[in-house]
Parts: sequence; structure tokens; C-alpha cells
Amino acid sequence: SQQGEEDPQALSIQEGENATMNCSYKTSINNLQWYRQNSGRGLVHLILIRSNEREKHSGRLRVTLDTSKKSSSLLITASRAADTASYFCATDGAGNTGKLIFGQGTTLQVKP
Amino acid sequence: DTEVTQTPKHLVMGMTNKKSLKCEQHMGHRAMYWYKQKAKKPPELMFVYSYEKLSINESVPSRFSPECPNSSLLNLHLHALQPEDSALYLCASSPLGDYGYTFGSGTRLTVV
Repeated sequence: SQQGEEDPQALSIQEGENATMNCSYKTSINNLQWYRQNSGRGLVHLILIRSNEREKHSGRLRVTLDTSKKSSSLLITASRAADTASYFCATDGAGNTGKLIFGQGTTLQVKP
Repeated sequence: DTEVTQTPKHLVMGMTNKKSLKCEQHMGHRAMYWYKQKAKKPPELMFVYSYEKLSINESVPSRFSPECPNSSLLNLHLHALQPEDSALYLCASSPLGDYGYTFGSGTRLTVV
């Protein structure tokens, strides 16, 4: 069974705009990660946020985590056509179980 | 070397065939994973190996048989598969602890 629900399922924006994707999960976590996938091939790790962190930045990416609401958001600023991809959140359950469980994903289209 | 290499990239097999998928990494990661991904769905965890021992089997049918010959290699042996097993099979590796996973580009399997 999948841990996370993502919202929206699909997002279409113009180049230069910001894109925000949300992720909710059900159980306690050790960390939450975001991945990008282009054209149904391998996933690329973007950023990891630990359960005791509230916000993290990496380049044009900003991730927030609210463990009381069991939710996270990924903000991509100043989007580019090359950001067009599917984005997944994934949760690593409490206790370092090694079970990284993926949410349903958001498909982002950035129009030039 | 910062890659996970999966071979073959594409595989078509009959329901009576036996085939193997191979995954290799030379990053010294002690955890390796097999995921299955159907079209427009998130990756689903199948198996986790930690220190070359199987630590998690997500109730995968016995027609899928994983093997970890050494710390750099992970195989997935396939036998008597069904057409519904057609999917993208992804291998990943990671250090143990709060780290992101490195994914291979996957093997696209078609069972006829």
C-alpha cells in the first residue's frame, strides 16, 4: 500500500512561474524525500528532510515538513521547461526500516 | 562512480521463460532495493537487502527471486511470469541511515 497522497495530480505552468506540490502521509516517519522522474525512467533524488526539520533549501527547491499535519510541500521557483517531469514524495518510516514508500506523484508541465 | 547500472534496459520474455535482471553499484552502499513501477503509478517496493542479506520482502510472489551475490551486485531472477508482471523494474542503492537513494534507469519488462 502507498503511504502518501500528492496534490495536485497534474500541474501546468508557464516558464518562470513557481510550482508547488503537496504531499500527505499517514504514519510516523524518519525522513521524507522528494524525487523527480523523467519519461518513466529512473528516479533522481532531489532533497531529504528529516522528521525534526521544518524547512530545507537546495538551489531553486524549497521543502517544508509539518509532522503535526503529516504533510510536506515542494516549491520549485523560477521554473524551466527542463523541470517538466513527475515528482514523487517518499517516506522512510520511523525506526530506519529501509522501507521507502512513494506517494502517487504530481505530473508537472512547464510550458516555454 | 556515482551510478547504479541496470541491465538489460529492455526485456521481452514468454511466460515459460527464465530470465534475470542485473543491478550493479560501486558506491559502497550497503543497502540495495528492487522496485516495480507500472505506467502512471508510483514505484512499489519489492525487496530490500541490507549488508547483502534480504531484510524485507513485500509479499512478492515466488516467481520473483532476488539474489545478492556480493555488496555491489543485485539480481532479480524471473520465472513463469504473467502478462500483468509487465512493468518497469527499478534497482536502487543507498548508504544506511538518512540518505537519499540512487536509482538505476530501470529494465522495461514485457511478458508475452
